[in-house]
Amino acid sequence: KAGVTQTPRYLIKTRGQQVTLSCSPISGHRSVSWYQQTPGQGLQFLFEYFSETQRNKGNFPGRFSGRQFSNSRSEMNVSTLELGDSALYLCASGDRTSYEQYFGPGTRLTVT
Amino acid sequence: ELKVEQNPLFLSMQEGKNYTIYCNYSTTSDRLYWYRQDPGKSLESLFVLLSNGAVKQEGRLMASLDTKARLSTLHITAAVHDLSATYFCAVGTQGGSEKLVFGKGTKLTVNP
Repeated sequence: KAGVTQTPRYLIKTRGQQVTLSCSPISGHRSVSWYQQTPGQGLQFLFEYFSETQRNKGNFPGRFSGRQFSNSRSEMNVSTLELGDSALYLCASGDRTSYEQYFGPGTRLTVT
Repeated sequence: ELKVEQNPLFLSMQEGKNYTIYCNYSTTSDRLYWYRQDPGKSLESLFVLLSNGAVKQEGRLMASLDTKARLSTLHITAAVHDLSATYFCAVGTQGGSEKLVFGKGTKLTVNP
């Protein structure tokens, strides 16, 4: 079974630009969650989607948004990038049977 | 608000020794996860613990959960260099959400 895939793996953007990150969960998993990891703040929850519906949202500004498609793939968008948005963005695919959550390889975003 | 505290945050140990990492959390939860992260990599799932008294073992790592004390431990037996990594515990929030709240991580270094 293929794992969680995230694209792109690396991204360099400048302040003020916007970015879209993509996550494809494990086949059969309908739940996708997003996390931001930084050295200072650690791992912080961004949002959670299940069957195209946002079930939960973390404490991030409105510049951070996301969506999920009917095939369970998810995208997150960050508009008007700030230097502090530089981070590793991780997506997790949830198995509601076993309660396991598997993480993708991440997208490392650098904002200059 | 759910808070997760791990200690120690840094752990330097010799090969062959035993040690325990502790994870305390502040409110009731029905899911406790342990992940490993190597430098520059994503999170690798180690254990998910779902009930009071649950114990799981994989190789030199053993995790346990005491829901009454809101405490999980990750015990390392006869450490080897390959176990050097950062270990995170994460606690699931209730209410049907798959959101995880992470501890700050324990950076483990195993010295020969």
